[in-house]
Amino acid sequence: NAGVTQTPKFRILKIGQSMTLQCTQDMNHNYMYWYRQDPGMGLKLIYYSVGAGITDKGEVPNGYNVSRSTTEDFPLRLELAAPSQTSVYFCASSYFGQGALYSNQPQHFGDGTRLSIL
Amino acid sequence: AQTVTQSQPEMSVQEAETVTLSCTYDTSENNYYLFWYKQPPSRQMILVIRQEAYKQQNATENRFSVNFQKAAKSFSLKISDSQLGDTAMYFCAFNGDTGKLIFGQGTTLQVKP
Repeated sequence: NAGVTQTPKFRILKIGQSMTLQCTQDMNHNYMYWYRQDPGMGLKLIYYSVGAGITDKGEVPNGYNVSRSTTEDFPLRLELAAPSQTSVYFCASSYFGQGALYSNQPQHFGDGTRLSIL
Repeated sequence: AQTVTQSQPEMSVQEAETVTLSCTYDTSENNYYLFWYKQPPSRQMILVIRQEAYKQQNATENRFSVNFQKAAKSFSLKISDSQLGDTAMYFCAFNGDTGKLIFGQGTTLQVKP
């Protein structure tokens, strides 16, 4: 039972490089999320997706892109890495439903990716 | 927009004692969920406890319990019989009708032997 799997766990990038953080979940959750956590701070939502083919911006989307071609996968792309993007990135997933299916299912988190941009 | 505020950046407690972490939130919604997550030094995000806003009864999970005051928009976490393994950063989080989880800034809890 893998849950939410993020790769890689650590990465060092040079300024201006690009990379994709991978996230996959095997719980058939409809919602997926990307957060960043700066040292000593809380989590800030970058992007989220309510289902395959649908994505939306969170609190801090600038400098990032996402796609959701399948229910399982939700990659996060950094196009031109900047030092301000040095952070720990978390992917999460949950089941969320409205009305009669309103759910209190909590978000399941991956173990995080520590990204340093030098 | 919903906001979640944790006003205690750091707290400490002696082993076996009780500690309460504070959380307040702001929303105009009536149906929502509140969570406390624990983040130990391993960085994992671990769900501690959850509360449905429509339930008046406060949630409990072993040594962890909440004091949910809906009118005051307050959601505090009480940890009884604190253990060294409880040392972590604790986040309060709000989940409303958008499905997005809004986190507080976190409280770092140190349990001292």
